[in-house]
Order: sequence, then C-alpha cells, then structure tokens
Amino acid sequence: NFMLTQPHSVSESPGKTVTLSCTRSSGSIASNYVQWYQQRPGSAPTTVIYEDNQRPSGVPDRFSGSIDSSSNSASLTISGLKTEDEADYYCQSYDSSKWVFGGGTKLTVL
Amino acid sequence: EVQLVQSGAEVKKPGESLKISCKGSRYSFTNYWIGWVRQMPGKGLECMGIIYPGDSDTRYSPSFQGQVTISADKSISTAYLEWRSLKASDTAIYFCARQDDGYNLDIWGQGTMVTVSS
Repeated sequence: NFMLTQPHSVSESPGKTVTLSCTRSSGSIASNYVQWYQQRPGSAPTTVIYEDNQRPSGVPDRFSGSIDSSSNSASLTISGLKTEDEADYYCQSYDSSKWVFGGGTKLTVL
Repeated sequence: EVQLVQSGAEVKKPGESLKISCKGSRYSFTNYWIGWVRQMPGKGLECMGIIYPGDSDTRYSPSFQGQVTISADKSISTAYLEWRSLKASDTAIYFCARQDDGYNLDIWGQGTMVTVSS
C-alpha cells in the first residue's frame, strides 16, 4: 500500500504559472498512471490530466502533467493562471484494486 | 451523453439503514468498474470500494470493509452503496465514479449528501 502526499494549499497570481506536486510514499510513481482532478465548490471532481500527462478534450492546454522518478512524484502545471482555476486539485493512482487519492491541494488565485 | 445519476439527498437518524444508488446511462454498464468515493465535510476524497457490474466482483478499501455494502443490478444499470446502521460520522457527500481502462475516473455522479443526526 502507498499514499499520495500533496501540499495543503498553494497561492499564485493571475497570469503566472503554478506547479502542484503529488509524492508517492512507496513503490515507483511510474508503476501506475496518475490522474489529476479539479473540484470546484459544490461540484463533482472532473479530470484535467489522465495517464500521467494526457489532457481530456475540453481541458485547456494551460494544464499539463508529468512524473519524475527521481523525486517519485507527479506534477500538475497550470500556466497563464485564471481566477476560474481556483479550486481543489486531487491526484489519484491505483493500488491493489483500489483507488488512492492524495489529500488535495487548495489552489487560490489572487 | 454518458452519465451517472445518483439518488437524492438523505437525512437519517443514527442506527437507521440506508441504500443510495447510482444509475449509468448511454454506455455498456457491465464493462466498467464503478466505485464509491466519500467526501466528509471540508475534507478530501476517499475510495470506499469498487465493483465490476459484469460479474459483481467487489473490492473494498480496508477502512470501509464491513462498514458498508457495495452492490450492483446490471439489469437496470445501477450500483448501490448500503449501510445497515448509520453513525453520525457517516455524514458526508458520496460520489460514484466510472473507471476507464487506464484507471481514470472519467465519469462522476453528481453526489449524494447523507446527513446523519439525532
């Protein structure tokens, strides 16, 4: 079993670039795909990145994902920040027939 | 449009039983894993367990094993989450979600708010 650890909160200004991290506690980050979900208040989560670095149709190319084996972590980068990007972001992977979520990062755009 | 539609909000007393539902439409319900995710007030997402409606193969996360029952009726494309005896700590929003072949949760239900209070 492994855990995914995310920073609790991150703040950045509109127009800037922010990178959210997701660190896997044990086993290789490359062993299982990582997904990223955006959740706005009062709504269900939606996928912004799947399979480490793939964007669903309709998600702007300002969103990108990557993994880094040296730090055993995944990253979500959002460039050209907009106020509408303010939300909670969760990373997710898969282990022994269950979904593993990170604790979530609250992104504030101010 | 492919979608999962969940049953409505519930208000229950401690000790009562409850079964909430998640109905899939416009896709082959039996061919995708469906899972239940808990979100307690102001907290993050927790996987409770997943089920493959094609054969009802069910896997529970350790924290939820024995606390809830996940089931599915493939004849009506519906998955269920059931409690026999609710506790105040079960107060949360419960989401169902579909897992695609790459383990992405590509379709989510709108969520069901469950409030347990005396």
